[in-house]
Amino acid sequence: DVKVTQSSRYLVKRTGEKVFLECVQDMDHENMFWYRQDPGLGLRLIYFSYDVKMKEKGDIPEGYSVSREKKERFSLILESASTNQTSMYLCASSLRGTTGNIQYFGAGTRLSVL
Amino acid sequence: RKEVEQDPGPFNVPEGATVAFNCTYSNSASQSFFWYRQDCRKEPKLLMSVYSSGNEDGRFTAQLNRASQYISLLIRDSKLSDSATYLCVVIIYNQGGKLIFGQGTELSVKP
Repeated sequence: DVKVTQSSRYLVKRTGEKVFLECVQDMDHENMFWYRQDPGLGLRLIYFSYDVKMKEKGDIPEGYSVSREKKERFSLILESASTNQTSMYLCASSLRGTTGNIQYFGAGTRLSVL
Repeated sequence: RKEVEQDPGPFNVPEGATVAFNCTYSNSASQSFFWYRQDCRKEPKLLMSVYSSGNEDGRFTAQLNRASQYISLLIRDSKLSDSATYLCVVIIYNQGGKLIFGQGTELSVKP
């Protein structure tokens, strides 16, 4: 059974804190993604990675960075958390290929920045 | 204009009803299409792919109209367990195969 695991389901942080969201997949997938999901806006792509040490900006990368040191792990970093980064964060992975990719999602991390 | 647009709903229907969702996309280079389902406070999961010729999976039928740039999802004989948000997803060839998600259509099936 495919599995994408996000380290926390719920997280509360203060403005200005550095926040790490971790994602691990056990399917040997090449591609990994970070999205945020907000009411009325749907899922928006923050960053993605096609391979170890590779990263590409998505549609809303500002205020975020990522790290992919190992194939199975993709970390999202909020360098200095702000209240407008309160959101549901979803990690996903998929096999290599540019078309017809099916993405498998983690359960999500609901982050509140106070 | 959003790249993928859906009616957010909510659609409130009785059990046994037939309900249809539409989704429009703006980029004619769009190549692959899917419907994902997301239960409340859960992650999205693939419901079905959408093929050019249309395809059916039990009570679910998906159709694609490339000329008008929309896809549809039809649910027949709806069940309480169909209550969820349905996400329209498009892969755009000239954007490196990124998935573009619609904001989702909420369905609530009542007894």
